[in-house]
Amino acid sequence: DADVTQTPRNRITKTGKRIMLECSQTKGHDRMYWYRQDPGLGLQLIYYSFDVKDINKGEISDGYSVSRQAQAKFSLSLESAIPNQTALYFCATSDQVRDEQFFGPGTRLTVL
Amino acid sequence: AQTVTQSQPEMSVQEAETVTLSCTYDTSESDYYLFWYKQPPSRQMILVIRQEAYKQQNATENRFSVNFQKAAKSFSLKISDSQLGDAAMYFCAYRGNRDDKIIFGKGTRLHILP
Repeated sequence: DADVTQTPRNRITKTGKRIMLECSQTKGHDRMYWYRQDPGLGLQLIYYSFDVKDINKGEISDGYSVSRQAQAKFSLSLESAIPNQTALYFCATSDQVRDEQFFGPGTRLTVL
Repeated sequence: AQTVTQSQPEMSVQEAETVTLSCTYDTSESDYYLFWYKQPPSRQMILVIRQEAYKQQNATENRFSVNFQKAAKSFSLKISDSQLGDAAMYFCAYRGNRDDKIIFGKGTRLHILP
């Protein structure tokens, strides 16, 4: 079973709709992250969380919100989706001891 | 602010040959970590290799090795005996010791020619 899972894997929605992307992990890591990937831009950090009570904005948090429901779950919401939020979204986790980040399989979101 | 630059948007290499992907970074910190991630067409992000800045020895993982030049702030990835399965986007990434965030370069798309 995958250590970091994301649902859905693909989603097409319309402008103005509310969308939630979910991430779950079985690695027991405290730290979780949401990234956005656009062609030619690499990965940009949206939000990150060091534990359930600690949420921090990343480089491009405008238009997004997050919820850390439990150590193992970290959700990303788009309250009112717009076309320029069409992208590939990754969830990642990291171990406080090691610095490697472990990525989920990604969610491809298309906003029409 | 730290930045990571990958100056080669695309590269091609003949199968079984060696290729080097370039990465430079900018930081004022002395202690940090550097990574190379691979993203194949499946889009999964896979860690290829990591380097701690305090270690002088270059990291090696099978056919993958790095040339870490701390003074020059350079961190290149060498892939030896290139295989078709090495075709992917490769991202260089930086993490400072005081900050848990990772900063990614824009990536280099590597094509393997049969």
